[in-house]
Amino acid sequence: KAGVTQTPRYLIKTRGQQVTLSCSPISGHRSVSWYQQTPGQGLQFLFEYFSETQRNKGNFPGRFSGRQFSNSRSEMNVSTLELGDSALYLCASSTSGTSVLDEQFFGPGTRLTVL
Amino acid sequence: AQKVTQAQTEISVVEKEDVTLDCVYETRDTTYYLFWYKQPPSGELVFLIRRNSFDEQNEISGRYSWNFQKSTSSFNFTITASQVVDSAVYFCALSPNSGGSNYKLTFGKGTLLTVNP
Repeated sequence: KAGVTQTPRYLIKTRGQQVTLSCSPISGHRSVSWYQQTPGQGLQFLFEYFSETQRNKGNFPGRFSGRQFSNSRSEMNVSTLELGDSALYLCASSTSGTSVLDEQFFGPGTRLTVL
Repeated sequence: AQKVTQAQTEISVVEKEDVTLDCVYETRDTTYYLFWYKQPPSGELVFLIRRNSFDEQNEISGRYSWNFQKSTSSFNFTITASQVVDSAVYFCALSPNSGGSNYKLTFGKGTLLTVNP
């Protein structure tokens, strides 16, 4: 069974640009969550999607957005990039995110560097 | 608001030593989940355990054991007879059991464990 895949693995952008990151969950998983990991703030929850709907949202500005497609693949977009957006962006998937038997699996992450 | 505190930023031990990673949490939710994840140098978070707030039984899985004490809001993780392969950053996390999802995780800052041969 293939794991969570994230593309691209590495990305370099400049301030003011926008970026789109992609996440393909494990087959059969319908819940996809996104997290940002930085040395200063640690791991922070961005948002979660389930059945193409945003179900939960963290405390990030509107420059951070996401969406989920009918095949459960998800994308997150960051507009008007700032230096502080440099981070490892992790995607995680689970079957439904609501069952006590659910386990959340993380992808390898996308390392975004903003110059 | 939820908060997870991992007071130990870095721990260094010699192989075969036992080591305990501390985790203290704060939440106003009556039901919640606690987690431990391992992040090896490759960067991918690996799930270790999930504990429901109603279940205060300690758990042992091989060399790993977890001590959940609701009275002190702690969920500590012990590795017995540590090995070099245990070297990683370990994260404790908390999630409310509400809002239609079990996975709105609040993470601690992590503890870097280095096991020296």
